[in-house]
Amino acid sequence: QSALTQPASVSGSPGQSITISCTGSSSDVGGYDFVSWYQQHPGKAPQLMIYDVTNRPSGVSDRFSGSKSGNTASLTVSGLQAEDEADYYCSSYTSSSTLVFGGGTKLTVL
Amino acid sequence: QVQLVQSGAEVKKPGASVKVSCKASGYTFNSHVITWVRQAPGQGLEWMGWISAYNGNTNYAQKLQGRVTMTTDTSTSTAYMELRSLRSDDTAVYYCARELTLKFDYWGQGTLVTVSS
Repeated sequence: QSALTQPASVSGSPGQSITISCTGSSSDVGGYDFVSWYQQHPGKAPQLMIYDVTNRPSGVSDRFSGSKSGNTASLTVSGLQAEDEADYYCSSYTSSSTLVFGGGTKLTVL
Repeated sequence: QVQLVQSGAEVKKPGASVKVSCKASGYTFNSHVITWVRQAPGQGLEWMGWISAYNGNTNYAQKLQGRVTMTTDTSTSTAYMELRSLRSDDTAVYYCARELTLKFDYWGQGTLVTVSS
């Protein structure tokens, strides 16, 4: 199972919005609404930010939102803040009853 | 509160085995799946597999089939991940996480496994 495709890096200024894409296939992202997004700060464990494509766990800021179109899922962070600077990973359930992560995207807040 | 506490860092020689533990608390252990994820230095997350704490059913990533075994001990609410025939590219931080409907809502603190001669 190949990793989902994410841009290596994105950046934005405080207050702006950015979107991170996550492209797979009909066997994973396109076939199931089980896409999640994780935020990881350096030296820390990942934290769940979005699940089932669009849902936010309690305690996660509503500045984070998710969507999906075809084989591509997206994470949007609006009103960028300094603490949003981190690595972001998407994941998807697959037709093999396994899970696959994206390669990760480094978000830089300028 | 839900907590997953992992065992400490390990240094192993190539060809050896390592067994990492993950002790759960704050929820009903056998109602959830535990997944294992690893992260090589400077690299992304890699899903290794998962195990149902309810019935012990497992599903492993194809690339690790034959080298990895995941088990649970419901009497101590602890999950284990054993990786055999270690190679230098197995050097990574290994995480356990609680699975809830295909999302990982709580994570352990990570265990660094270093494979070096």
